[in-house]
Amino acid sequence: GAGVSQTPSNKVTEKGKYVELRCDPISGHTALYWYRQSLGQGPEFLIYFQGTGAADDSGLPNDRFFAVRPEGSVSTLKIQRTERGDSAVYLCASSSGTGSHEQFFGPGTRLTVL
Amino acid sequence: QKEVEQDPGPLSVPEGAIVSLNCTYSNSAFQYFMWYRQYSRKGPELLMYTYSSGNKEDGRFTAQVDKSSKYISLFIRDSQPSDSATYLCAMSITSYDKVIFGPGTSLSVIP
Repeated sequence: GAGVSQTPSNKVTEKGKYVELRCDPISGHTALYWYRQSLGQGPEFLIYFQGTGAADDSGLPNDRFFAVRPEGSVSTLKIQRTERGDSAVYLCASSSGTGSHEQFFGPGTRLTVL
Repeated sequence: QKEVEQDPGPLSVPEGAIVSLNCTYSNSAFQYFMWYRQYSRKGPELLMYTYSSGNKEDGRFTAQVDKSSKYISLFIRDSQPSDSATYLCAMSITSYDKVIFGPGTSLSVIP
């Protein structure tokens, strides 16, 4: 199907390492969102892109987290100097950005920091 | 106080029962209200979407919003085992804004 895809599906890394998580939104969707979901919790907003620019990055927890969307399609979430507390499922969602509010979610990347 | 509160459950009901799921919220600026369903190890999928106060029905699902009480509900009629999932309430201020989620209620429908 032509849904939101995320790679990798699982990522295990060691404390202090750098990781990149990729999101491929639905073709033509201009809005892209990153969320983080810890066990037993709802998704927590991280950052929202409209086109290539970050329209709202108020959810990024600290400067170790950074996200880009250079061509207005694929987005990469980058985490530097990973900590055990970063372990979670990182969800990406996209929407058409015009009128419709429905955010279509990908399956997520499960990040484990040892 | 969290922005969105939701009883985490777990909630277990027999097949065919009516299920009532609820959330309360604190930010009166929220205008858009949603219910998402999330199966294990999957991303959330949108079930219902309501703007401002009122009711909305879609098949076996009915969503209610009471902005004066800051309270939203989802009713599931004739519940089926396939309804077993986590149900997340969610809300936002504008239609394109970040979405604030509740912690989710885990539902099991027993055949």
